Amino acid sequence: DVKVTQSSRYLVKRTGEKVFLECVQDMDHENMFWYRQDPGLGLRLIYFSYDVKMKEKGDIPEGYSVSREKKERFSLILESASTNQTSMYLCASGRTSSNQPQHFGDGTRLSIL
Amino acid sequence: GQNIDQPTEMTATEGAIVQINCTYQTSGFNGLFWYQQHAGEAPTFLSYNVLDGLEEKGRFSSFLSRSKGYSYLLLKELQMKDSASYLCAVRDGQGSWGKLQFGAGTQVVVTP
Repeated sequence: DVKVTQSSRYLVKRTGEKVFLECVQDMDHENMFWYRQDPGLGLRLIYFSYDVKMKEKGDIPEGYSVSREKKERFSLILESASTNQTSMYLCASGRTSSNQPQHFGDGTRLSIL
Repeated sequence: GQNIDQPTEMTATEGAIVQINCTYQTSGFNGLFWYQQHAGEAPTFLSYNVLDGLEEKGRFSSFLSRSKGYSYLLLKELQMKDSASYLCAVRDGQGSWGKLQFGAGTQVVVTP
């Protein structure tokens, strides 16, 4: 079974802080993704990575950066947290093959005060 | 641009059938996925369609018409545990590295 593990289920941070969200997958997947999920908006892609040290912007990259130093680990960084970044953050991993689904972690509910 | 539409909420009775529709307009197409997401949990993969027609997996079936930009997920013999959000997601075909575009999800409420 694929396991995607996110470091925290719940996180509370203050405005202006630098926040790190970590994600680890154990299936040697090439691709990893960070989404945020907000009511009525669904999952929106922030960044994704198709290989170590490679990254591509998704639909809403502003205010975020990412790091992929090892194949199994993909980090999302909020450079200076703001209240509008309060959300559920979901990490996913998957293969490039078109019929392969993405596998999701349990999510991190982040509150910025 | 990308646009994926599905109803916000549907209610059905235990034992009944519910059909969740999804329409899409995307810049390319390389498959459509359905996921189930229970409150507070990760989305889990249900089905994949890339060719027109019906794919059946037990109580769940998924249909695709590429010419109409349309899919549906059919849930039969509804059980209380089927109360969840159902997400439609399209993989576009433009060097997408497996990227998906998601609809906002359909909340299915199963009543006794």
